[in-house]
Amino acid sequence: AQSVTQLGSHVSVSEGALVLLRCNYSSSVPPYLFWYVQYPNQGLQLLLKYTTGATLVKGINGFEAEFKKSETSFHLTKPSAHMSDAAEYFCAVSDGGSYIPTFGRGTSLIVHP
Amino acid sequence: EAQVTQNPRYLITVTGKKLTVTCSQNMNHEYMSWYRQDPGLGLRQIYYSMNVEVTDKGDVPEGYKVSRKEKRNFPLILESPSPNQTSLYFCASSSVSMSSYNEQFFGPGTRLTVL
Repeated sequence: AQSVTQLGSHVSVSEGALVLLRCNYSSSVPPYLFWYVQYPNQGLQLLLKYTTGATLVKGINGFEAEFKKSETSFHLTKPSAHMSDAAEYFCAVSDGGSYIPTFGRGTSLIVHP
Repeated sequence: EAQVTQNPRYLITVTGKKLTVTCSQNMNHEYMSWYRQDPGLGLRQIYYSMNVEVTDKGDVPEGYKVSRKEKRNFPLILESPSPNQTSLYFCASSSVSMSSYNEQFFGPGTRLTVL
């Protein structure tokens, strides 16, 4: 069985500060890992994904995430937060053998001027 | 444009009045699913479908029905809505090919209020 834990339901940063959203997963087989973003009053859209190969993946809007197998983590980072980054972020895992992804509970990113 | 559409986007109804939320995708995806999103609980899967005429329960199926008569459509049916079904609902779809890696495409959401 697979599971996802997102540490912190809310993360607050100042504009220009580093963004770090944490995601830990469990999976019995090599996982596919995703970050989705949900802007206010919108559906979820893919931010980035790890499937195979390079463990540092880059996504849209300057976000990136690193797959660390030894730590079973897939934390999302951005060097400098922008007001437009304020949104809900969801980490998700699927193990390739199942087409049913498991989502974390989400982290709300708040960006202060 | 590749997309998942849902209708209606907003709905206010009363307890016990049957309703249907439609979901349609134009990407020829085999897999479709319904989620509800509630504060503090994240996304919870209601039902999913691996292909036409194949549906299965997710984590919170009570009080909901679905059907998959056509590949592109996956309606969510509430036969007798209750106030605890007030929520934000999302439809999603994905290809089951290995190259898709199960990436989900989401609709814009339907905000349902049951009085």
